[in-house]
Amino acid sequence: DGGITQSPKYLFRKEGQNVTLSCEQNLNHDAMYWYRQDPGQGLRLIYYSQIVNDFQKGDIAEGYSVSREKKESFPLTVTSAQKNPTAFYLCASSRDGRNQPQHFGDGTRLSIL
Amino acid sequence: KQEVTQIPAALSVPEGENLVLNCSFTDSAIYNLQWFRQDPGKGLTSLLLIQSSQREQTSGRLNASLDKSSGRSTLYIAASQPGDSATYLCAVLSGLGKLIFGTGTRLQVFP
Repeated sequence: DGGITQSPKYLFRKEGQNVTLSCEQNLNHDAMYWYRQDPGQGLRLIYYSQIVNDFQKGDIAEGYSVSREKKESFPLTVTSAQKNPTAFYLCASSRDGRNQPQHFGDGTRLSIL
Repeated sequence: KQEVTQIPAALSVPEGENLVLNCSFTDSAIYNLQWFRQDPGKGLTSLLLIQSSQREQTSGRLNASLDKSSGRSTLYIAASQPGDSATYLCAVLSGLGKLIFGTGTRLQVFP
């Protein structure tokens, strides 16, 4: 079955630690995205990538980093510079970045120990 | 700056009712508008996508309309069922790949 796989489902971070969230898709989509969801707020865009080896900052990129070395993979690193990382993180992909629908994974919930 | 608002924030209805969820956006220069469903603790499921040149889209008991000039979209759910209980999110594509989301309408359909 084609889809988007995010792992792990739950993740805990210690103070000063970097953690990496995995996102893999087998839909052969060119574009991939990372969103953050906080209670009572809409999703906010962290980073997006239209093509391999290229990515752009979204609205809340500070304290996060990404890479896009392969078409199917778009990992997100939450660095120690992100002071309020507790949130639900959602990865999405679309065939292109224009008029195709975005499809989402099941998310990773990150908490601070 | 594009802003998306959804009203109401929460809605509770008995099974069988037809209902309308509202979405408004401040900048009419959009590429498309997408409606999603989110179950608790889960990711988003795409329901309908309306291109900026279209007026409406239908899928089963769902019908979404778009009035770009007034900055409004509605999601109509016919004959609601308890399984429709979820949070419904609308989002507009304003720039290349950039979806702007509303805060959602939390729907509960009781038997």
